[in-house]
Amino acid sequence: GDSVTQMEGPVTLSEEAFLTINCTYTATGYPSLFWYVQYPGEGLQLLLKATKADDKGSNKGFEATYRKETTSFHLEKGSVQVSDSAVYFCALRRDKGGADGLTFGKGTHLIIQP
Amino acid sequence: NAGVTQTPKFRVLKTGQSMTLLCAQDMNHEYMYWYRQDPGMGLRLIHYSVGEGTTAKGEVPDGYNVSRLKKQNFLLGLESAAPSQTSVYFCASSYSAVRMRETQYFGPGTRLLVL
Repeated sequence: GDSVTQMEGPVTLSEEAFLTINCTYTATGYPSLFWYVQYPGEGLQLLLKATKADDKGSNKGFEATYRKETTSFHLEKGSVQVSDSAVYFCALRRDKGGADGLTFGKGTHLIIQP
Repeated sequence: NAGVTQTPKFRVLKTGQSMTLLCAQDMNHEYMYWYRQDPGMGLRLIHYSVGEGTTAKGEVPDGYNVSRLKKQNFLLGLESAAPSQTSVYFCASSYSAVRMRETQYFGPGTRLLVL
């Protein structure tokens, strides 16, 4: 079945550091890929997405490129801020023609220190 | 717009008790979903609905029932709660159009503790 693997956390960085959170997936066909973010005490919010190979999703300084050859969708940001502290989930959706939900990774807790 | 709201925010149950979690959305979305989030497990799909009066099983449906009597509401029921159902429950919704359904909007979650 489909699966998403992302790096274990917590990941602790200093403000203005470069961020990479690795995500790889297993799925048949051509899934759509997503990064969701969960701030403390809140639900998940879509951060960015990519729907086909070589697409780059971007939002709020975060970027991720859909790499089919390596089945990866790594999240990057050039200079993190304390406000970026949250849990980040990589997810996929394989279009089966229906409304099946997303398949999520386990989440990576990011802590940014001032 | 309130978006997706969930009631209650927190609940403690004893083993064997029943309860219903309510999810409401005001975005006129056709699709709605219930997930559970457990430490180290990410989110897992329990049930989903593609429209009023229709429901379908997700990855972990056992011990739960759902109903979608109105388009804006999606109810998750636990008939006989078990400690294994201690979790945080998230509701989500989306449009049905092919590319729009990929973006799901999540509620703030319901934290359930079963003793």
